[in-house]
Amino acid sequence: SQTIHQWPATLVQPVGSPLSLECTVEGTSNPNLYWYRQAAGRGLQLLFYSVGIGQISSEVPQNLSASRPQDRQFILSSKKLLLSDSGFYLCAWSRPGTASNQPQHFGDGTRLSIL
Amino acid sequence: QKEVEQNSGPLSVPEGAIASLNCTYSDRGSQSFFWYRQYSGKSPELIMFIYSNGDKEDGRFTAQLNKASQYVSLLIRDSQPSDSATYLCAVVSSGSARQLTFGSGTQLTVLP
Repeated sequence: SQTIHQWPATLVQPVGSPLSLECTVEGTSNPNLYWYRQAAGRGLQLLFYSVGIGQISSEVPQNLSASRPQDRQFILSSKKLLLSDSGFYLCAWSRPGTASNQPQHFGDGTRLSIL
Repeated sequence: QKEVEQNSGPLSVPEGAIASLNCTYSDRGSQSFFWYRQYSGKSPELIMFIYSNGDKEDGRFTAQLNKASQYVSLLIRDSQPSDSATYLCAVVSSGSARQLTFGSGTQLTVLP
């Protein structure tokens, strides 16, 4: 069975500091990978998605970036965090391909607080 | 802009009642529809998906899809306090097969 791991679970960072959140998937090859952000009381905002190693699509212009150095590894980064970057960050995966009927499955998330 | 709308609630129902959650979407070409449950402080968990018009039942959950009216609903029968959570509707819109557009969620409280 497939599992998704995301860490850390919580993170408190000062404004202007860098960020690196990591996500790995087990039990499947070439998954589609996603990074979402959820502000308090809000829906999920898609930040990035990837269909393969080195292939990243950005949905929202921001000071965040994503990388996929390995097939089942997805990293969310920032060089300088802003107060507005606070939120609940979720990594998700779905089966490879372009079929529209594939659900996404989420990791446990990282709660990021910027001070 | 393709949108997914949900009544934010909160929706309160007594234990044992039927909870009805509704979702409308703007893209008439949308093909796939998902319901996620999110407990407070936790990540979303997939509970139902539906692709064709009509009803789909899974245990106490029934998803209903009406593409002509562009709405999808989730019924929870015999509601339990453990069903208290936020329910997120998600839609795969035309032209973006890999991407889900989420509604902002409906908060459900089941009163014992």
